[in-house]
Amino acid sequence: GNSVTQMEGPVTLSEEAFLTINCTYTATGYPSLFWYVQYPGEGLQLLLKATKADDKGSNKGFEATYRKETTSFHLEKGSVQVSDSAVYFCALTSNSGNTPLVFGKGTRLSVIA
Amino acid sequence: DVKVTQSSRYLVKRTGEKVFLECVQDMDHENMFWYRQDPGLGLRLIYFSYDVKMKEKGDIPEGYSVSREKKERFSLILESASTNQTSMYLCASRKPPGTESSHEQYFGPGTRLTVT
Repeated sequence: GNSVTQMEGPVTLSEEAFLTINCTYTATGYPSLFWYVQYPGEGLQLLLKATKADDKGSNKGFEATYRKETTSFHLEKGSVQVSDSAVYFCALTSNSGNTPLVFGKGTRLSVIA
Repeated sequence: DVKVTQSSRYLVKRTGEKVFLECVQDMDHENMFWYRQDPGLGLRLIYFSYDVKMKEKGDIPEGYSVSREKKERFSLILESASTNQTSMYLCASRKPPGTESSHEQYFGPGTRLTVT
């Protein structure tokens, strides 16, 4: 079945540091890939997505590229801010039928000033 | 903006009680989902519903049931609450497949349930 593996946290960075959160997936066919973010005390919200190979999703300075050859969708940001402190979830869904999203276990990011 | 609301942010119940968690969305979405979120385990799917009166088991349905009598409302029921059901419960909705942005799930703020 479909699955997502993302790096375990917590990750602690200083402000303006470079961020990478690794995400790899196992899926049949050509899934769509997502990064969701959960700020403290809130539900999840979509951060970015990519629906086909080599697509790059981007939002709020975050980027991730859909790499089919390495089955990866790593999240990157060049310069993190304290306000980026949150839990980040990688997810996928197949592009057929009513298939729910499959989530990774989440990576907690703490950014310190 | 899509809004998904959940009836309570915090709930404390006793072991053996019947518990209802309510979720309402205002965007006429066909698909709705219930997850629980636990530290180190991420989000796990409990039940989902493609449409009114339809339901499908997710990965961990044991001890739960659901009700979808109206399109906008999806209820999660704990028939007899137990301490191992203490968790954060998240509801989500989305458009059906084949429509624009159909893969994006919109989440409510969550209900933190404590069973004592």
